[in-house]
Amino acid sequence: QVQLQESGPGLVKPSETLSLTCAVSGYSISSGYYWGWIRQPPGKGLEWIGSIYHSGSTYYNPSLKSRVTISVDTSKNQFSLKLSSVTAADTAVYYCARLKLGWFDPWGQGTLVTVSS
Amino acid sequence: EIVLTQSPGTLSLSPGERATLSCRASQSVSSSYLAWYQQKPGQAPRLLIYGASSRATGIPDRFSGSGSGTDFTLTISRLEPEDFAVYYCQQYGSSPPSITFGQGTRLEIK
Repeated sequence: QVQLQESGPGLVKPSETLSLTCAVSGYSISSGYYWGWIRQPPGKGLEWIGSIYHSGSTYYNPSLKSRVTISVDTSKNQFSLKLSSVTAADTAVYYCARLKLGWFDPWGQGTLVTVSS
Repeated sequence: EIVLTQSPGTLSLSPGERATLSCRASQSVSSSYLAWYQQKPGQAPRLLIYGASSRATGIPDRFSGSGSGTDFTLTISRLEPEDFAVYYCQQYGSSPPSITFGQGTRLEIK
């Protein structure tokens, strides 16, 4: 079955760039669907960050668009997130997921990223 | 941007009771693009319902979704102990592409 696994640093300093990768197994990204990133600050709700197609076509949450870059590497069957100029407000669990038509399924287990000096 | 408002914020019920969770959109949402998720502590969200009323693979039939336009409902017919969790609705809009989640409803044991 399709599985997703997030990886990346768990601690990022303020003003730096957060970088995460989502490795996909059990399905080839090149076969289709969009893929997305979602985050959840501790104790709060879910926020969609952005999504990417295997061709590289992207769309982002307008509230984060100026700081977000999502890219895809079909040769490694993975996609990545970069969020620049981070602050403490960007501390969250970051999830990757497949966007199947209009809904996310499945999800990765999530990775906690803390922004702190 | 379409805003989704879930109510109530917290719902306290007992096992065996019926749960009704509401998701109201600030403007009309295509039923094809309304989903519900369940999230338990320390876990990733799990897809329950897509297309407003279709159950995802492996989801028990006590979970059902309904609604159209701006008003959507998730119903759990008879609560099991494992159903106590936080539930989120989510919409996808295509022009321009955008995705928003509701703020969640916490279903707790009474």
